Amino acid sequence: DARVTQTPRHKVTEMGQEVTMRCQPILGHNTVFWYRQTMMQGLELLAYFRNRAPLDDSGMPKDRFSAEMPDATLATLKIQPSEPRDSAVYFCASGRQGEYQPQHFGDGTRLSIL
Amino acid sequence: AQTVTQSQPEMSVQEAETVTLSCTYDTSENNYYLFWYKQPPSRQMILVIRQEAYKQQNATENRFSVNFQKAAKSFSLKISDSQLGDTAMYFCGRTSYDKVIFGPGTSLSVIP
Repeated sequence: DARVTQTPRHKVTEMGQEVTMRCQPILGHNTVFWYRQTMMQGLELLAYFRNRAPLDDSGMPKDRFSAEMPDATLATLKIQPSEPRDSAVYFCASGRQGEYQPQHFGDGTRLSIL
Repeated sequence: AQTVTQSQPEMSVQEAETVTLSCTYDTSENNYYLFWYKQPPSRQMILVIRQEAYKQQNATENRFSVNFQKAAKSFSLKISDSQLGDTAMYFCGRTSYDKVIFGPGTSLSVIP
């Protein structure tokens, strides 16, 4: 079965450090989503891309977060500088635009900022 | 704001019994999709069932079925013959163009 691949699975780092999370969407999927999951806020949509172009990043703190798709097989989410409140599970999901197909989720990156 | 509401933060059910998880939503769109995702302790997000809003027939998937009431904007999930492996967080979601908006989740525990 095709899967969305996220790396790393876990990341522990100190406040102020740069964090980069990577996502390989399912081949043929042209829409990529980044979500953050916390106990308090649930699943929040941070940003999403269609055909590698950012469509909506209104859910993302602009001052420290950035999301890119250097090519169709890689999406990245960066936090610089990281803060303890960024501790969460970050999910990437991919899908096909226009088919109302369900999104396929990766296994998530559990991020802990000390 | 267009939201998805799951009014039951936690639920429990005896093994082999039936349980219904509720979900209501708000939308101004005519056509959209609704989903239920399951998140077990492994934290994977697993699609359970999907409903197309223009279809009146309720979707079913083995032991999982939905009660879709479009006018009431209600989309509940029924799990029959509950199994221990059904213990998980369940998220209701609806499409908003390309995006999916999720509810806060219901934590379901299946008790032996």
